[in-house]
Amino acid sequence: EVQLVESGGGLVQPGGSLRLSCAASGFTFSSYSMNWVRQAPGKGLEWVSYISTSSSTIYYADSVKGRFTISRDNAKNSLHLQMNSLRDEDTAVYFCARDGGSFAYWGQGTLVTVSS
Amino acid sequence: EIVMTQSPATLSVSPGERATLSCRASQSVSSNLAWYQQKPGQAPRLLIFGASTRATDIPARFSGSGSGTEFTLTISSLQSEDFAVYYCQQYNNWPPKTFGQGTKVEIK
Repeated sequence: EVQLVESGGGLVQPGGSLRLSCAASGFTFSSYSMNWVRQAPGKGLEWVSYISTSSSTIYYADSVKGRFTISRDNAKNSLHLQMNSLRDEDTAVYFCARDGGSFAYWGQGTLVTVSS
Repeated sequence: EIVMTQSPATLSVSPGERATLSCRASQSVSSNLAWYQQKPGQAPRLLIFGASTRATDIPARFSGSGSGTEFTLTISSLQSEDFAVYYCQQYNNWPPKTFGQGTKVEIK
């Protein structure tokens, strides 16, 4: 069974940093590209970042470019999102999602709250 | 960036009735269009990919159609568990793989 489990969310002050992780199991992690998608409270879904299988191709949404860094560790079946210079508008549930064109598998999400 | 526009924002439907949700792309996305269902407090669930192919374990009452810029998700006979928010997503021209703003299907 495919499982994606996010962790690392919490309360952080504006300008602060946080590192999210996504632990993958039930599939060959190194064979799939991965994404981060977020959802602000009461709002819709926003794609955040993409990383290819070997980390050779990485993309970011304009809203996070220069502040967030996606990475993966295929040996540990894990995906990460380093978030720096956090803003109020980054408050959201962050989901990791397995790429296959569409996103067939999602984690349960981890809540990031940016507030003073 | 391709903009996805869903209509209506809210759809009020009685159980057992048919629901028709629309999604429009600002430019052609061919058939690279997915539909997701999301219930409160849960992750999105893939319903349809390739505009019309049901994902694993998705009931036959869910169907997708369209290509290019106009797409439709139809739920033939709404069950109580189908009341949720539905999102479309294009994955033809990316990044970004853009989502629509969602359609909430509520009980009439």
